[in-house]
Amino acid sequence: AQRVTQPEKLLSVFKGAPVELKCNYSYSGSPELFWYVQYSRQRLQLLLRHISRESIKGFTADLNKGETSFHLKKPFAQEEDSAMYYCALRENRDDKIIFGKGTRLHILP
Amino acid sequence: EAGVAQSPRYKIIEKRQSVAFWCNPISGHATLYWYQQILGQGPKLLIQFQNNGVVDDSQLPKDRFSAERLKGVDSTLKIQPAKLEDSAVYLCASSIPRGPNTEAFFGQGTRLTVV
Repeated sequence: AQRVTQPEKLLSVFKGAPVELKCNYSYSGSPELFWYVQYSRQRLQLLLRHISRESIKGFTADLNKGETSFHLKKPFAQEEDSAMYYCALRENRDDKIIFGKGTRLHILP
Repeated sequence: EAGVAQSPRYKIIEKRQSVAFWCNPISGHATLYWYQQILGQGPKLLIQFQNNGVVDDSQLPKDRFSAERLKGVDSTLKIQPAKLEDSAVYLCASSIPRGPNTEAFFGQGTRLTVV
């Protein structure tokens, strides 16, 4: 069965320190991977997707098919990065989107 | 463009009562998803529509939950009768079918409390 695993429920990082949110997946086909973010009192929104290979708000994520990982990274954390982060996988067969349990990122001043 | 609209925002009901949630997706989005998000967990897919047809409802508790998408636009999700463990945020999302740079857009959600 398809699965998305985010091993950390909570990650606390000092402002200016590097951030890495881990995501591992299991899927037999070629998935599309995403990171979604939910800021306090806001709706869930897309942060970035692996296909675009883009950097959004300083965040990047590289799909590693060998390790089946899609870790989210940022070199220097900012206080406004505090939020819930969800890794998600979209199946290429029927557009089904599966989410991990999420990691709460807390940036310490 | 207008986002995904959901109503109501909050609902409190007693167990064994019925409740319905409504979702209006972004215009032109053929795919519509309903997710259940229990406190402290990630969104769990309940049902996925493509236009007015069901693509996946494998995780929908069909003895008490039902959903429809008449005319392939708006959708309603119903719970009858509700249980305490149904307390959660119910999220609706929509997207265009798979293609370059597509993404799912989410509504604000409906927070259901069953007492």
